[in-house]
Amino acid sequence: NAGVTQTPKFQVLKTGQSMTLQCAQDMNHEYMSWYRQDPGMGLRLIHYSVGAGITDQGEVPNGYNVSRSTTEDFPLRLLSAAPSQTSVYFCASSAGTTPLHFGNGTRLTVT
Amino acid sequence: DAKTTQPTSMDCAEGRAANLPCNHSTISGNEYVYWYRQIHSQGPQYIIHGLKNNETNEMASLIITEDRKSSTLILPHATLRDTAVYYCIATYDKVIFGPGTSLSVIP
Repeated sequence: NAGVTQTPKFQVLKTGQSMTLQCAQDMNHEYMSWYRQDPGMGLRLIHYSVGAGITDQGEVPNGYNVSRSTTEDFPLRLLSAAPSQTSVYFCASSAGTTPLHFGNGTRLTVT
Repeated sequence: DAKTTQPTSMDCAEGRAANLPCNHSTISGNEYVYWYRQIHSQGPQYIIHGLKNNETNEMASLIITEDRKSSTLILPHATLRDTAVYYCIATYDKVIFGPGTSLSVIP
């Protein structure tokens, strides 16, 4: 199993550009989630999903869209990037009460 | 979703046991207690989890009180590489991380 795979590892965007951060897992996990972590700060939940076709907002959902058309994939879309979205983004997944498995993160810089 | 409370920071001498407490007084009967840690800006790493009974694995031990309102993560012989932020989580749905405990292992 590859676990949780996030792409790209690094990305630089200009203000106003849009992009999609990819997250895929091959463990058949129902639960998937996205976090952002600003420098020196903790993890904040952006969006999460408890299964295909179901998504919900976390603590900081503004400026981000998600969809869950398959169990394996949970992409995070930035509609119009802003410098405040410069952060490290982590995707995580789990099944039922099993612990969260995290990806290695995507480091995003918006200039 | 159960909320958790942890001390902001702790120090531990290298080679000694590190005991990290967590309060989760609103935990419900089917919610597990999970511990993760994050070293620098790496992704969080799972350590251990439990429901009622004490648990032990190669990394740590987890002691859960009988009323399940609190728990303690024990790193039996802390090393410098255990310096990290440790998070206690008491839910498996809409998982929100608090600030955690910043553990510094001192030579």
